[in-house]
Amino acid sequence: SQTIHQWPATLVQPVGSPLSLECTVEGTSNPNLYWYRQAAGRGLQLLFYSVGIGQISSEVPQNLSASRPQDRQFILSSKKLLLSDSGFYLCAWRRQGDGYTFGSGTRLTVV
Amino acid sequence: GENVEQHPSTLSVQEGDSAVIKCTYSDSASNYFPWYKQELGKGPQLIIDIRSNVGEKKDQRIAVTLNKTAKHFSLHITETQPEDSAVYFCAATDSSYKLIFGSGTRLLVRP
Repeated sequence: SQTIHQWPATLVQPVGSPLSLECTVEGTSNPNLYWYRQAAGRGLQLLFYSVGIGQISSEVPQNLSASRPQDRQFILSSKKLLLSDSGFYLCAWRRQGDGYTFGSGTRLTVV
Repeated sequence: GENVEQHPSTLSVQEGDSAVIKCTYSDSASNYFPWYKQELGKGPQLIIDIRSNVGEKKDQRIAVTLNKTAKHFSLHITETQPEDSAVYFCAATDSSYKLIFGSGTRLLVRP
């Protein structure tokens, strides 16, 4: 069966520090992968999506970047975190014709 | 692009009563409409979905209705239980099959 893993679960980082969040999917090949951010008490905002290795589409201009070095690996990064980068980050994958399956999320607090 | 509006933002019901959450969408080409339940600190979980060729779908106490002409869809939960308390999100696919989410409804079921 297909599973999605996201880590770490929680992260506290100082302003100006780098960031790397990782997401991996098991049990499928060539999935569409997505990064969403959820601010406290708010909805889900699509940040990046990828339809294949090395293919990244950005939905909103921001301080973050994404990469897909392997078929089932999706990484969210930042060179220098801002306070406004705090939030709950969710990775998701989509099967053809089906809805998204979300990971368990990473709660990032920038201090 | 697609825009999804959801209301109410909060909903409080007595255990055993029904709850209804409504969403509207803007892109007439959208053809897939999932509903997600998110518990505190967790990723959203798909609870039911509907495609544009169907007007209604039911799964035990949960049902979703779709009116393509009016571009709105609704989630109905009958015989609510305290464990139904969570945040519920509706979503619709845009022309690129990305999921665009509503802003969420916080449902509280009072024992």
